[in-house]
Amino acid sequence: DQQVKQNSPSLSVQEGRISILNCDYTNSMFDYFLWYKKYPAEGPTFLISISSIKDKNEDGRFTVFLNKSAKHLSLHIVPSQPGDSAVYFCASRGYNQGGKLIFGQGTELSVKP
Amino acid sequence: DVKVTQSSRYLVKRTGEKVFLECVQDMDHENMFWYRQDPGLGLRLIYFSYDVKMKEKGDIPEGYSVSREKKERFSLILESASTNQTSMYLCASSTPDRVGQPQHFGDGTRLSIL
Repeated sequence: DQQVKQNSPSLSVQEGRISILNCDYTNSMFDYFLWYKKYPAEGPTFLISISSIKDKNEDGRFTVFLNKSAKHLSLHIVPSQPGDSAVYFCASRGYNQGGKLIFGQGTELSVKP
Repeated sequence: DVKVTQSSRYLVKRTGEKVFLECVQDMDHENMFWYRQDPGLGLRLIYFSYDVKMKEKGDIPEGYSVSREKKERFSLILESASTNQTSMYLCASSTPDRVGQPQHFGDGTRLSIL
């Protein structure tokens, strides 16, 4: 039972345009959501997060939006750069589950010059 | 900066061998985690630990065990390696759960079981 789903395995975007990565979840008890970025042959690195009490969090070119009623979150990258090409994972944390995270399958973003 | 170090980047072992994957973190984090990453499946939690000598099963613990004798070190053990355990293994650590505390990952061990 996949509680966190990223339905798009891959996404291709032109440099300078907006990249939108999507993530859906099923458990309404999730209280925190995170995005990680992963380059080949490296571990995932934390990118941005959002608490369930907010609907938007912004950090430079990266913005995460949370729609609790739809159980959906998205990561916007504006403007996209070739160095953003990587696999992006969304992750969710259950309330009172300690530091345990549940990850989606990942979306491979390719930003073309 | 947090550093999580996994002892091997690449490892090749044979079916039936006992395999040890080691992970060390240098930030005095209480929480440590072992995941495996497979194409199309994302990261799946194998085991985690909130303290020394303490362990809890994750979502896919079958065929694995762990050891945490010191706070900075968390070992993953494949008791009798099988080909379906060929995967990328990732270790992570974090502080006790407070809002906004992400997990920090090592660079992974790509394990091949022949």
